[in-house]
This record gives sequence, C-alpha cells and structure tokens, in this order.
Amino acid sequence: GQSLEQPSEVTAVEGAIVQINCTYQTSGFYGLSWYQQHDGGAPTFLSYNALDGLEETGRFSSFLSRSDSYGYLLLQELQMKDSASYFCAVRDSGNTPLVFGKGTRLSVIA
Amino acid sequence: EPEVTQTPSHQVTQMGQEVILRCVPISNHLYFYWYRQILGQKVEFLVSFYNNEISEKSEIFDDQFSVERPDGSNFTLKIRSTKLEDSAMYFCASSGRGTIYEQYFGPGTRLTVT
Repeated sequence: GQSLEQPSEVTAVEGAIVQINCTYQTSGFYGLSWYQQHDGGAPTFLSYNALDGLEETGRFSSFLSRSDSYGYLLLQELQMKDSASYFCAVRDSGNTPLVFGKGTRLSVIA
Repeated sequence: EPEVTQTPSHQVTQMGQEVILRCVPISNHLYFYWYRQILGQKVEFLVSFYNNEISEKSEIFDDQFSVERPDGSNFTLKIRSTKLEDSAMYFCASSGRGTIYEQYFGPGTRLTVT
C-alpha cells in the first residue's frame, strides 16, 4: 500500500513564499502529483514530478527527491486566492490509481 | 476549454434507496474515475474505468457500487442501497492517454443520505 504525510495546516503572509512538504511510502513509485482544492470546489491539477528535481510553472514549483521519498510544492508571491487545500498524490505503478494525502490547508493572510 | 461535468450537483436520498450519479468526462479522454470526499477529509479513490471495464477499485467500492458507461459520453456511478456513511462529495475525473497523473475533476455531486 501507499501512505503520504503532509502538514495539516500552513499559514503564510501575502507576497511571501511557502513550501508544503510531502513524504511518501510506496511499494513502487510512478510519480508525485500536486492538486489544489478550494473550499467547496473540485481538485485541480497543479504539477507532476516523475524524476528528481524542480519543475516550475509560473508562481508554483514542485520538487522531488526519489531517494528521500520526499517532495514539496513551493508557492511564490502568495496571493489571497492561493488560500486552499493542497494535496500530494502518488501512484506506485503505471496502472494503479492516484492515492491522495490528507491535504495541507494553506491560509494566506494580509 | 473542455471540462468534466456532473449531475446533479446535490442529491438527497433516504437510506436504502438507490442513487445514480452522472458524469460526462472530457470527450477525448480514455480513463475515467470516481472519487469521494467526506467533508473535511481527503479525496479517496473508488474506481477507475478503461476500455469499458473496471481497471482498479478500492476497498470502499463494494458490491453496493457499480459503474457504467452506457453510451459514448456518460459515465455513471450507482449505489444500490445507500447508507448514512455514503454521505459525501463524489467527484468524477478523467485523464488522457499517457497522462494518468493529470486528472481533470468534475465539480462533484454532494450526496446526502438521511
């Protein structure tokens, strides 16, 4: 089976940078994804890392270290609209479904 | 921009009743999924569907659940005899060939079992 650990809550100031960590345990590994979910909304895809290193998409970046079974989502120039829950998700093989972490609730304050 | 749609947005039903939740995935996608999310908790996988058959299912997806793709556009989740603990938000998602990690979610159906 798979398990993922991420902080339950993070608070950061508007304009700042925040990092949301995710550690995972899987029998195999087929990539780490990040999803954003606003209250009452559906999860939306943010990023995917299959290989070690940093992937950048605008203000959001995602990092993966397979040797450490660890990844993070980095949000820069925080905006109030970034307040949401952020889920990491893994697959342990090419055909298995996504397993989501419990989510990190990010609160951006003025 | 193409999107996944779901109907109804909210369904209230009595315990023991059957419900059918409907989804229209993105038209050129090949993989379809149902997830549920109990209020305030994480998203939980229920079932994946590919090539007109179930490819994976979780322990949650017991004999009370079934899925169907009755035509080329709709994807349904049926719960035969609802229980109170089935109350949750149910999300449909779809993904394209080679991009299973990038799933597009519908807006969800909030199911309330009374």
